[in-house]
Amino acid sequence: QQQVKQSPQSLIVQKGGISIINCAYENTAFDYFPWYQQFPGKGPALLIAIRPDVSEKKEGRFTISFNKSAKQFSLHIMDSQPGDSATYFCAASKGNQAGTALIFGKGTTLSVSS
Amino acid sequence: DGGITQSPKYLFRKEGQNVTLSCEQNLNHDAMYWYRQDPGQGLRLIYYSQIVNDFQKGDIAEGYSVSREKKESFPLTVTSAQKNPTAFYLCASSSSGSPYNEQFFGPGTRLTVL
Repeated sequence: QQQVKQSPQSLIVQKGGISIINCAYENTAFDYFPWYQQFPGKGPALLIAIRPDVSEKKEGRFTISFNKSAKQFSLHIMDSQPGDSATYFCAASKGNQAGTALIFGKGTTLSVSS
Repeated sequence: DGGITQSPKYLFRKEGQNVTLSCEQNLNHDAMYWYRQDPGQGLRLIYYSQIVNDFQKGDIAEGYSVSREKKESFPLTVTSAQKNPTAFYLCASSSSGSPYNEQFFGPGTRLTVL
């Protein structure tokens, strides 16, 4: 049973465009939703995260939009750049204490063409 | 230079052999994790440990074993009971002082069974 569903599997965006990746979850007990970025051959790194008490969080060109009633959240990358080409994973967990297991989506491979 | 180290980077194993993957962190983090990554499957949790001498099974623990004798070390043994061990293995850690349970990942070990 996949608890976090991520789409699309792959995405091609032109330089300067907006990249949008969507995730949906089932478990209403989830209350922490991070996004991780992974470059080929490297480990993932935290990009941005949100708690369900806010509907949007922005950090530079990256924005998380959160819809609690729909149990959906999305990552928007504004003014996409070739350096943003990577695999992006959404995740969810119950709580945000150390030792809390994260449930990851299957990932979206983003290619930004110049 | 703080971080997580995994060794070796590439590992080849014959069928029927056990193999141990190393993970060391000097971030003074309490919690450590092992994930398995397969193409198109995202990250799946194998084992995690919140404190020394304690660990819990993740979603796909069968065929794997771990130990946590020291805070900075969390080795993973892939046993011959693991039916399909060829994958990219990622170790991560997180601090109880982090507001977002940010998990820091190592560079990974790519295991190939011959």
